[in-house]
Amino acid sequence: EDKVVQSPLSLVVHEGDTVTLNCSYEVTNFRSLLWYKQEKKAPTFLFMLTSSGIEKKSGRLSSILDKKELFSILNITATQTGDSAVYLCAVEALHNAGNMLTFGGGTRLMVKP
Amino acid sequence: GAVVSQHPSRVICKSGTSVKIECRSLDFQATTMFWYRQFPKQSLMLMATSNEGSKATYEQGVEKDKFLINHASLTLSTLTVTSAHPEDSSFYICSASPGTLVYEQYFGPGTRLTVT
Repeated sequence: EDKVVQSPLSLVVHEGDTVTLNCSYEVTNFRSLLWYKQEKKAPTFLFMLTSSGIEKKSGRLSSILDKKELFSILNITATQTGDSAVYLCAVEALHNAGNMLTFGGGTRLMVKP
Repeated sequence: GAVVSQHPSRVICKSGTSVKIECRSLDFQATTMFWYRQFPKQSLMLMATSNEGSKATYEQGVEKDKFLINHASLTLSTLTVTSAHPEDSSFYICSASPGTLVYEQYFGPGTRLTVT
């Protein structure tokens, strides 16, 4: 059974801090790892990672994948209150029925002014 | 960009009644649609995958007779919660994919179901 574990479960920081969110996984037939940001409603896509060691960057957010150690991190620098959200990690893997996503439990980030 | 809508956004129903939730891809044709359920402070759990014109594939532990999924067209999928009970209260999210790349999923805004 595919497994995706995120840590920490929750995090409270102040504006300007840098945070690192972790995602580890155990899946068979790995295809890609994805990060999402979920505010009050549905998740919005942040990054897709398929190759080890290549950093993906978008503004203050960046992410990297380690396929040997089976984890990924999501970094947010100079955090703002608008970064407050649940960050979800999902792993795409090939199943009998086709490629499927398994989501981690999420990290709830709160950024205080 | 790709937009997915869900209707209704919020529904309250009485125990024993059935509720239908619609998921529409507004500006693209969705080869595949996914239905997820999310409990408070928990992650998304895939319920089923549906392809247009064929029967949905349900995840283990999801009762297909209780959660009826119909993918009647390339832009519409419906989830019907039959004989709803309070434990079915949850946040249901659909996503739609225009192709075979499962990571290319566009999420709807979700539907909050409360069963009293």
